Amino acid sequence: ETGVTQTPRHLVMGMTNKKSLKCEQHLGHNAMYWYKQSAKKPLELMFVYSLEERVENNSVPSRFSPECPNSSHLFLHLHTLQPEDSALYLCASSQGQSNTQYFGPGTRLTVL
Amino acid sequence: AQSVTQPDIHITVSEGASLELRCNYSYGATPYLFWYVQSPGQGLQLLLKYFSGDTLVQGIKGFEAEFKRSQSSFNLRKPSVHWSDAAEYFCAVGAQGQAGTALIFGKGTTLSVSS
Repeated sequence: ETGVTQTPRHLVMGMTNKKSLKCEQHLGHNAMYWYKQSAKKPLELMFVYSLEERVENNSVPSRFSPECPNSSHLFLHLHTLQPEDSALYLCASSQGQSNTQYFGPGTRLTVL
Repeated sequence: AQSVTQPDIHITVSEGASLELRCNYSYGATPYLFWYVQSPGQGLQLLLKYFSGDTLVQGIKGFEAEFKRSQSSFNLRKPSVHWSDAAEYFCAVGAQGQAGTALIFGKGTTLSVSS
């Protein structure tokens, strides 16, 4: 596989469920990102990991918990979400100082 | 404040006609500039980027963009639009020389192509 992959592509969960989103990049990059894309809103940065350390946490509620076990993998753990958390969650990666970010296909999350 | 403005929410262009999508930015430092395209249900695909040098940059799928520092603009153009170009287009700005920093995105322009 090439590029940035995300699983699952679609997820429906109840407000009391716990689930995780997975992102894997096959580009040898050293930074990874989670973005949230809601209807009629700009992309919102959620978390940034550079060299496996979290460098930015953009005031995201604690019901979202990121994990970056190595430079190729990024997870977003979800717990007791709200219906307004329904959105497309996009993962991206970049390398070095170019900051050119390459995106995965996203996970469409629906919270019932 | 850092921001990206895409003034046109929705544009309809006839197939074969030319296209220009507008992007204006406000950024304190010298920016990196990007255009991405998103088809329904998909992630963002990089069309082109500007870092430095020639202010007219070429991208994939026949797109180009011109950086105009005096106007704080980075407009995307294509001389002849194809029906497959129908999608949402995002302009973004980022910091130079800083790894792992976020891009700031505009709200996007939806392009429809009529036959």
